[in-house]
Amino acid sequence: QVQLVQSGAEVKKPGASVKVSCKASGYTFINYGISWVRQAPGQGLEWMGWIGTYNGNTKYTQKLQGRVTLTTDTSTNTVYMELRSLKSDDTAMYYCARGWELVYWGQGTLVTVSS
Amino acid sequence: EIVLTQSPGTLSLSPGERATLSCRASQSVSSTSLGWYQQKPGQAPRLLIYGASSRATDIPDRFSGSGSGTDFTLTISRLEPEDFAVYYCQQYGSSPYSFGQGTKLEIK
Repeated sequence: QVQLVQSGAEVKKPGASVKVSCKASGYTFINYGISWVRQAPGQGLEWMGWIGTYNGNTKYTQKLQGRVTLTTDTSTNTVYMELRSLKSDDTAMYYCARGWELVYWGQGTLVTVSS
Repeated sequence: EIVLTQSPGTLSLSPGERATLSCRASQSVSSTSLGWYQQKPGQAPRLLIYGASSRATDIPDRFSGSGSGTDFTLTISRLEPEDFAVYYCQQYGSSPYSFGQGTKLEIK
């Protein structure tokens, strides 16, 4: 069965960076890209970006351009999301999901940014 | 960037009633690239509808999607207690693949 398993919760100080992993299993990894979506506490869903796992092509929301980087490791079927220069309003649940039509989701990784 | 506006913000209905949720785009969206998601507290979103009108696997047929261009609708024909949740539309035809702000469907 398709599974996306994310790394554990993180607590970071403002200005720091965080790197969240998303390990895929149960399907051919390079056949689907991976999207990242975040949700601040009590707020709606925010699309962050997408990476093509076959060739590493990326798309990002303009809001995070320059602070977020998606990378892929086909040897371990893992995608990474790095967010730099963290601010308090980056505190959110971060989800990875497969493809464009987001049928399969990771369990979420809570990133807390606090001094 | 395509902005999706959902209405109403909150919808109060009773089980058995019909729910109609709207998603309006700031510019035309490909009908093959519009999805609807349901999210319950503490859970990841669940895809209900893709391609504006196709039900995802295992989604009950009381959920249906319609629309084209800039106006899309999610209809729940007869509300079940488990349908009370927050619903989001998303377009994935033009990057950035934006979400609407959500409609909360609550029990009246």
